[in-house]
Amino acid sequence: EIVLTQSPGTLSLSAGDRATLSCRASHSVNSKYLAWYQQKPGQAPRLLIYGASSRATAFPDRFTGSGSGTDFSLTINRLEPEDSAVYYCQQYSMSPITFGQGTRLEIK
Amino acid sequence: QVQLVASGGGLVKPGGSLRLSCVASGFSFTDYYMSWIRQAPGKGPEWISDVGGSGSPISYAASVKGRFTISRDNANNSLYLQMNNLRAEDTAVYYCARDAELIWSGYFDHWGQGAPVIVSS
Repeated sequence: EIVLTQSPGTLSLSAGDRATLSCRASHSVNSKYLAWYQQKPGQAPRLLIYGASSRATAFPDRFTGSGSGTDFSLTINRLEPEDSAVYYCQQYSMSPITFGQGTRLEIK
Repeated sequence: QVQLVASGGGLVKPGGSLRLSCVASGFSFTDYYMSWIRQAPGKGPEWISDVGGSGSPISYAASVKGRFTISRDNANNSLYLQMNNLRAEDTAVYYCARDAELIWSGYFDHWGQGAPVIVSS
C-alpha cells in the first residue's frame, strides 16, 4: 500500500502568514490522485483539494494544492484564525485508499 | 442538501458485534459509491470498506476483511456496517462517506457526523 508521510507534525504560525504543508508518498501517485482534507475538533474531515490541485467550492483561493509523483504540498496564504485545524492528505491512486497522519496547523 | 446521519455506535466487549447504520438524504443514493472510514483517537482516517451504487462491487481493507460486512438498502437510502469479532484496535469514530463522483473516484465530498465505537472489557 502507499504510505503517506506528512510534515511537519505541527505548524504554528501567525495570522497573515503563509503555511506550506507537505505530503510525501512511498510510491508514485498516478494522475495526481491526491486529496487534502481539513478537520476541526469534533467534526468530520472536509474535502479541501482533489486531483492534487482542484479546490473544493467551499474553500477560498487562499488554499492551493500542488505536486506530482511522490511529493505534494498544500499552501495556505494569508492565514486566518479559522484555518486552525488538522490537515490530512489522501491518495486514491492505488488500493487501498490511504491517508496521511496529519499536520496540525495552529494560528498564534 | 446532502446529509449523512450515522448511528449504532457504542461500547462493546472484545469479540462482540455491532451494526452501524447511515441514512442518506439530499442526493440520488443509488448513483454513488459509499464508504466507511474510521479514525482512531489522535490518528489519521483509515478507509475500511466501500460498496458500489447497486450493492456491488465491494472492497475491504485487510484490517477488517472477514470480520466486517458492508451492505446497503437503496430503497431506504441506507448504508450498513456489520462488525463482528471486534478487537480493541477497532476502537474509533466510524464515518460514512460519499464518493465524490458518479463513477468511482476514491475521494469523499460528504461525510457523516461519525459514530463512536469503543471496544473494551
